[in-house]
Amino acid sequence: DIQMTQSPSSLSASVGDRVTITCRASQGIRNDLNWYQQKPGKAPKRLICVASTLESGVPSRFSGSGSGTEFTLTINSLQPEDSATYYCLQNNSFPRTFGPGTKVDI
Amino acid sequence: EVQLVESGGGLVQPGGSLRLSCAASGFTFSISWMTWVRQAPGKGLEWVATINLDGSDKFYVDSVKGRFTISRDNARNSLFLQMNSLGVEDTAVYYCVRYATMDIWGQGTLITVSS
Repeated sequence: DIQMTQSPSSLSASVGDRVTITCRASQGIRNDLNWYQQKPGKAPKRLICVASTLESGVPSRFSGSGSGTEFTLTINSLQPEDSATYYCLQNNSFPRTFGPGTKVDI
Repeated sequence: EVQLVESGGGLVQPGGSLRLSCAASGFTFSISWMTWVRQAPGKGLEWVATINLDGSDKFYVDSVKGRFTISRDNARNSLFLQMNSLGVEDTAVYYCVRYATMDIWGQGTLITVSS
């Protein structure tokens, strides 16, 4: 099974900051990686697919990069509404595996 | 608008069974792989199961193999999760999700396993 790790597990930042979250896979997954945002009491929302493709309607301050085993989610100019937990997901193979999440406080 | 609406959640005793349903609309269900994901209270996301277009291929996380069965009815645009031999560790919000690449999520239904 492919194990996914995320760092940091949590962070606190200010409005306008640039934030970077890293996700690592235990083996190469090409670019088969998604990023999700989850706010308390809500279902996750996919922000980015295939490592770097932004979903329609997602603000351009979000971006993703990486391939193989290391990936990053960057939020430029952090906004109050970006306070949430962010998860990565590998969809390269079964079983699908999520990272443990990164909680972003603003 | 793509919509996924789960139902069937509730309180069940350890060892009991429950069947979740997911009603899909706004897209062609019959050509869409479908997935269940769960989230225990205060914890992260865990993929549970995925089913292919006609139900001939099913994939499960190890912890539910032999206890849970994913199925679908393409005529009724519905996805199901039959859960047997439930344990307290199965307590979670269960989400119905479109595709194996998980783009659209339902609102979730809470399963509580407790005596």
